[in-house]
Amino acid sequence: QQQVKQSPQSLIVQKGGISIINCAYENTAFDYFPWYQQFPGKGPALLIAIRPDVSEKKEGRFTISFNKSAKQFSLHIMDSQPGDSATYFCAARSSNTGGFKTIFGAGTRLFVKA
Amino acid sequence: DAGVIQSPRHEVTEMGQEVTLRCKLISGHNSLFWYRQTMMRGLELLIYFNNNVPIDDSGMPEDRFSAKMPNASFSTLKIQPSEPRDSAVYFCASSRFDRGPGGYTFGSGTRLTVV
Repeated sequence: QQQVKQSPQSLIVQKGGISIINCAYENTAFDYFPWYQQFPGKGPALLIAIRPDVSEKKEGRFTISFNKSAKQFSLHIMDSQPGDSATYFCAARSSNTGGFKTIFGAGTRLFVKA
Repeated sequence: DAGVIQSPRHEVTEMGQEVTLRCKLISGHNSLFWYRQTMMRGLELLIYFNNNVPIDDSGMPEDRFSAKMPNASFSTLKIQPSEPRDSAVYFCASSRFDRGPGGYTFGSGTRLTVV
């Protein structure tokens, strides 16, 4: 019930194309859904996040779509660029009496071809 | 702000030796998380603290692992004795839990190799 399932494992997209990464969760106690971007040799960095009372959030070329009833959410990268090549993690966080605990998906390695 | 600072960046040690990883939180943050990243298991939460108090250590793999927060800005993760299967990248991350949901700030990680 704590898992966050992410797909695909890897993705190759042409420059200018749309990259789509999907995630699914089971635990309805999750109340915050961030996406992180990780470059080689670096720690993950927060990219964009959404709460379950919102169906879509857009920041620049990055959009999260959220389907609460299906317990699914996805990241769309519009006009993908070679600089977007990185590993992307979806995550889900639950509030509890002690604070916030984030569970990460397995990650998607994105490669954008120039 | 210097961000979350981890040391060392790389550690190579022999099986059976004690390893200590260090993390300095961002000033003003009061939650500290230790994660381990491997190809096989991805990012695993090992333990997290709020206000220096361990809240959930269910991810700590064995008694060989221990973590402390001696003060509000610093934490250590110790492995004693170390084993080859402990080889991974260890990240710490910090946040403010009293400001509601928000992302973490991760350090650059410590790459541990146990031979």
